[in-house]
Amino acid sequence: AQSVAQPEDQVNVAEGNPLTVKCTYSVSGNPYLFWYVQYPNRGLQFLLKYITGDNLVKGSYGFEAEFNKSQTSFHLKKPSALVSDSALYFCAVRDSNQAGTALIFGKGTTLSVSS
Amino acid sequence: DTAVSQTPKYLVTQMGNDKSIKCEQNLGHDTMYWYKQDSKKFLKIMFSYNNKELIINETVPNRFSPKSPDKAHLNLHINSLELGDSAVYFCASSQWGGTGPTSRTEAFFGQGTRLTVV
Repeated sequence: AQSVAQPEDQVNVAEGNPLTVKCTYSVSGNPYLFWYVQYPNRGLQFLLKYITGDNLVKGSYGFEAEFNKSQTSFHLKKPSALVSDSALYFCAVRDSNQAGTALIFGKGTTLSVSS
Repeated sequence: DTAVSQTPKYLVTQMGNDKSIKCEQNLGHDTMYWYKQDSKKFLKIMFSYNNKELIINETVPNRFSPKSPDKAHLNLHINSLELGDSAVYFCASSQWGGTGPTSRTEAFFGQGTRLTVV
């Protein structure tokens, strides 16, 4: 079975500082990995994904993530945080590219960026 | 244009009632999903349809019945609503595609339907 772990319930960072939101995964096959962001009372917005290729993936709003197969991790990073980045972040995994396979989500990490 | 749209956005109803949530996507995707987000913000897959065929049916009470009249629509009907059904329900869609950085395997989500059972 596939699963995702986000070990931190909350990450606090000052504006302008780099941020990291951690994610580890477990799948039996090749992982397809995703990050989503959810603002209050809104749906989930796609940030970036890793399917294959370069381990460093760049996405929306200056976010990037690094796929590390040996550590089964896919941490989300941003060099300089903005107050507007404050939101709930979800890591998700799909085990294989079979039709209908659903994304399995971690429990989410609340990012709080202070000014 | 809204890619994945759900109606209604808010639904307040009494225990024991039957209600439906509708979902439509205009992205041309072949796979649609229903997720439930509980009060702790945990997202759990409920159902998955590919080309109108049920693929995933997680451990969901049979009071919940999805229906997909065509690839662009996936509705959720809930019978005999209970207090514990209160949650936000998200519809999503994706395209089953190949590998490679341009494959569109991510899911696009609707804005959610906040169901409150009183």
